[in-house]
Amino acid sequence: DTGVSQNPRHKITKRGQNVTFRCDPISEHNRLYWYRQTLGQGPEFLTYFQNEAQLEKSRLLSDRFSAERPKGSFSTLEIQRTEQGDSAMYLCASSLDAGGLGTQYFGPGTRLLVL
Amino acid sequence: AQSVTQPDIHITVSEGASLELRCNYSYGATPYLFWYVQSPGQGLQLLLKYFSGDTLVQGIKGFEAEFKRSQSSFNLRKPSVHWSDAAEYFCAVGAKYNNNDMRFGAGTRLTVKP
Repeated sequence: DTGVSQNPRHKITKRGQNVTFRCDPISEHNRLYWYRQTLGQGPEFLTYFQNEAQLEKSRLLSDRFSAERPKGSFSTLEIQRTEQGDSAMYLCASSLDAGGLGTQYFGPGTRLLVL
Repeated sequence: AQSVTQPDIHITVSEGASLELRCNYSYGATPYLFWYVQSPGQGLQLLLKYFSGDTLVQGIKGFEAEFKRSQSSFNLRKPSVHWSDAAEYFCAVGAKYNNNDMRFGAGTRLTVKP
């Protein structure tokens, strides 16, 4: 068990560019979550997957954001036409859920800076 | 929907002193409660969790938390703080049958004085 990993750890981009982040969950975990964390705040839920199915999206996830988990393993979060307000830490978490709320284990995050 | 309040934005304690971080939640049913710790630039590490049963929960690194339903609180405690405990601490509340809806507090930043 190597934990949840995220790549890249840091990303600097110019406004208007597209960025993609990757999350590799703990291998046996069937649920995968994306959160956004801004300075001085706790994580805010963006979306989550049960295996490959995306089951819920927060209203925070505008149409510029898209997430995939094509084979039920790793996931990608893409932000198109980035804006300065997208600057934040993007956290991924995974859990093993069987009918209830499993404990979420977090990755180290990807810090995005949009110039 | 559930919510979490961490009343203290920043706390400073001396190394070796005791620590209590406050967490109040709002939820209509029995909550699932968590404490996470985040070091600068890092993700969140689970310290402890409460699902049911004994209201005093032991976690890693010598931390414990007590669930008090009557006060809607889940305060985190440690009897003797170490310099390495300096970090940001987040309380979170989840709903048993709504797996995506875990709400985090805004966090309490802990500074440890030598």
